[in-house]
Amino acid sequence: AAGVIQSPRHLIKEKRETATLKCYPIPRHDTVYWYQQGPGQDPQFLISFYEKMQSDKGSIPDRFSAQQFSDYHSELNMSSLELGDSALYFCASSLGQGGSPLHFGNGTRLTVT
Amino acid sequence: GESVGLHLPTLSVQEGDNSIINCAYSNSASDYFIWYKQESGKGPQFIIDIRSNMDKRQGQRVTVLLNKTVKHLSLQIAATQPGDSAVYFCAEKMSARQLTFGSGTQLTVLP
Repeated sequence: AAGVIQSPRHLIKEKRETATLKCYPIPRHDTVYWYQQGPGQDPQFLISFYEKMQSDKGSIPDRFSAQQFSDYHSELNMSSLELGDSALYFCASSLGQGGSPLHFGNGTRLTVT
Repeated sequence: GESVGLHLPTLSVQEGDNSIINCAYSNSASDYFIWYKQESGKGPQFIIDIRSNMDKRQGQRVTVLLNKTVKHLSLQIAATQPGDSAVYFCAEKMSARQLTFGSGTQLTVLP
């Protein structure tokens, strides 16, 4: 079965640079979520989209922005990168916003040097 | 803010024994709960879910129990296998809001 696809798998950037992470949800899934996970931490919610509109917002820094496109894929744009942004970034998708499971991709490992 | 948490950070069990991983949640308005398994370098993998109108749900070798009175969730794994070694997270959701993860439990299966 098709899963959530994230690219790139690994990304190395320097401080103050920008990065763009991409997420392709499971076919027919209309909701996308972004999470950040530091080492030994639980995933922290950043932002979500339903039918291309932002549906909920968590601890996403103002330096970050995201959007969901007409084909339902989503991109997380990160600017003025800081060392503390180094983490695993996961995207998840679900069918609808209510009681249906979120399925996660294998993440993008971002390293800021 | 309200959050979901786990009682134990680590759990070691003998291969073939049953495992029980516990979780306490504090948001009484949460109506949907999910257990995830996460292996190193991978994303959280869906195991089983339960809605607040149920108190038990069974899957293949796994059972989730929900006690809304004391706001407690547990995951039972039958006949634990080496491949079950991973970090397990419970997560809770309220309607269309975000899914909130609790702190994970590292399950280690001993030979």
